[in-house]
Amino acid sequence: EAGVTQFPSHSVIEKGQTVTLRCDPISGHDNLYWYRRVMGKEIKFLLHFVKESKQDESGMPNNRFLAERTGGTYSTLKVQPAELEDSGVYFCASSQEVGRAFFGQGTRLTVV
Amino acid sequence: GENVEQHPSTLSVQEGDSAVIKCTYSDSASNYFPWYKQELGKRPQLIIDIRSNVGEKKDQRIAVTLNKTAKHFSLHITETQPEDSAVYFCAPGQAGTALIFGKGTTLSVSS
Repeated sequence: EAGVTQFPSHSVIEKGQTVTLRCDPISGHDNLYWYRRVMGKEIKFLLHFVKESKQDESGMPNNRFLAERTGGTYSTLKVQPAELEDSGVYFCASSQEVGRAFFGQGTRLTVV
Repeated sequence: GENVEQHPSTLSVQEGDSAVIKCTYSDSASNYFPWYKQELGKRPQLIIDIRSNVGEKKDQRIAVTLNKTAKHFSLHITETQPEDSAVYFCAPGQAGTALIFGKGTTLSVSS
């Protein structure tokens, strides 16, 4: 069974540019989550999808972040325009049942 | 919302010793209690979890104990090895909601 995959693994962009991160969850997992870890600190919740619907987006920091999950399959997280404080590792996770979430390898975003 | 605290934030032990990390939470509706391990540069990985109808679960050298009344659960690692060195996160949750992670505990096992 393929795990959660994320693209790209690394991204370096300039302040003001746009970046789109992609997450492919484990097939059949209705729940998809985005998290961010900044400067090796805590894992901060951003957003939770159930199929194509946003169940909880209370962790999204501001309107520069836009997440979508087309057809309830893969998800994208767009940052536009990127700011320096957006740098960090963005993790995606998916789960089928309550809890038991499996993480992707993360996308390391560096905004310079 | 859920308020999660982990203690200690850092823990250093000698190889072969035991390590215990405690997680307290605020939401009495939480019914799922996992622990994740994140090694440097890698993804968080689920290492053990427990549901609210069980008080303790063990898997080889690791165990999780739950005290729902006091709203805390703990990770126990026995006979620690250098490869246990990592950041450990608790993430209590419930049906229909996302996991909210604690701030992490950095465990260092020296040989």
